[in-house]
Amino acid sequence: LAKTTQPISMDSYEGQEVNITCSHNNIATNDYITWYQQFPSQGPRFIIQGYKTKVTNEVASLFIPADRKSSTLSLPRVSLSDTAVYYCLVGDSDDMRFGAGTRLTVKP
Amino acid sequence: DAEITQSPRHKITETGRQVTLACHQTWNHNNMFWYRQDLGHGLRLIHYSYGVQDTNKGEVSDGYSVSRSNTEDLPLTLESAASSQTSVYFCASSELIGDTQYFGPGTRLTVL
Repeated sequence: LAKTTQPISMDSYEGQEVNITCSHNNIATNDYITWYQQFPSQGPRFIIQGYKTKVTNEVASLFIPADRKSSTLSLPRVSLSDTAVYYCLVGDSDDMRFGAGTRLTVKP
Repeated sequence: DAEITQSPRHKITETGRQVTLACHQTWNHNNMFWYRQDLGHGLRLIHYSYGVQDTNKGEVSDGYSVSRSNTEDLPLTLESAASSQTSVYFCASSELIGDTQYFGPGTRLTVL
């Protein structure tokens, strides 16, 4: 299983773009990169998934360089409601591991 | 709308008792999972199932068991509850292996 490393916490202000980077040096050829968001007292919620280059949806963008050893989740113009823990997962099966995640705090 | 529910939402029990946490999904997903989350930590996989009569051990399966008799339900049983099993338990389901997982609201279990 590929191990992931993320910053423990990040602070931002409303309206700013936030980029959270995840390192996964041992990513395998078949592995996808998936990001989840978790609010207090709730289960995680899927944000975005990608394999290479760039993926964008209505919530976020995911940037993956050619070597795939890292990925960056980009949240445009964050608001207070984006305060949450963000998890990066790497794998091709359901035995993927949630790390401690990155606790993002958005300030007014 | 399809959903995934867990019951009870809160449970207090005593050491040594058997406890069963329920998970029910109406997505008709083949894959179901149980995780535990301890304060300030990420989720750890306990057991998972790829279909009826299929169960697999996850990262922290000791002291837990599951059974899958139908598509909709995956109950989690703590055979003899221990204080170390005090945690928040999340159930999830997915349509395909490696696909997006949809999580339930969680069950907060306290073992005294």
